[in-house]
Amino acid sequence: DAGVTQSPTHLIKTRGQQVTLRCSPISGHKSVSWYQQVLGQGPQFIFQYYEKEERGRGNFPDRFSARQFPNYSSELNVNALLLGDSALYLCASSPRTGSSEAFFGQGTRLTVV
Amino acid sequence: QKEVEQNSGPLSVPEGAIASLNCTYSDRGSQSFFWYRQYSGKSPELIMSIYSNGDKEDGRFTAQLNKASQYVSLLIRDSQPSDSATYLCAVGLSSNTGKLIFGQGTTLQVKP
Repeated sequence: DAGVTQSPTHLIKTRGQQVTLRCSPISGHKSVSWYQQVLGQGPQFIFQYYEKEERGRGNFPDRFSARQFPNYSSELNVNALLLGDSALYLCASSPRTGSSEAFFGQGTRLTVV
Repeated sequence: QKEVEQNSGPLSVPEGAIASLNCTYSDRGSQSFFWYRQYSGKSPELIMSIYSNGDKEDGRFTAQLNKASQYVSLLIRDSQPSDSATYLCAVGLSSNTGKLIFGQGTTLQVKP
C-alpha cells in the first residue's frame, strides 16, 4: 500500500508570495495533520483535519490555513511568506482523530528567499 | 518548562551496546506516547507506540512508560550503526485534537 504522499518535495518561494502544499493520506485513513519542522527542532503541530472538519489548530498565525477534501487529501496554504517560514512541512496520516498513531509523508522542504 | 523534554545529545554508544533514550512530559492527562526515528534529511518514522504503564517490546526496541513520573524511555538493544539517527519523543494530549507534542529529539551515534 502507498504511504503518505506529499507534493512538491522541494519549493523555493520569495517573501510575500503564497504557497500551497498537498498531501494524500494512507488509503483508509481519514485524518490528516500538518506539522512544521525547523532545523534542529521537533515537528510543531499546525492543524488536524478529520472528515473534512478542522479538529485542532496549533499556535500559528492566520496566514496558515488548510482544508481537507472528500477523498481525505489535504492542502496547506501559507500566505505572505516570511523568511522564518522556511522549514520542512510534514503531513501525517492517522486512521482516526484523537491521539492516535500518525504516519508521516516525506515532507515538503520550503525555502523562502 | 517545555511540554516534552529530551536531552539533545549526541548520545554515543559502541556497536552492540544498549542505547537508552529518555523523555519527560508535563501534561499529566497525556494518553499516548510515541517514538519516531528521523534520519538526516528525511521525515520521522514511527517505531514504537505505548499507551499504558509498563514495557512494550518490539524486536530490538523496548518502550517504557511511567505515567506517575511522567517519563517515557526507549531502549535499543544490540545497537547497530544503522540506528544512528535522531529519535523524537511525541506525546498525545488529553484533548481530542489529534495534536502531538514533540521533543527536540536526541541524536544517537552508534560507533562501529
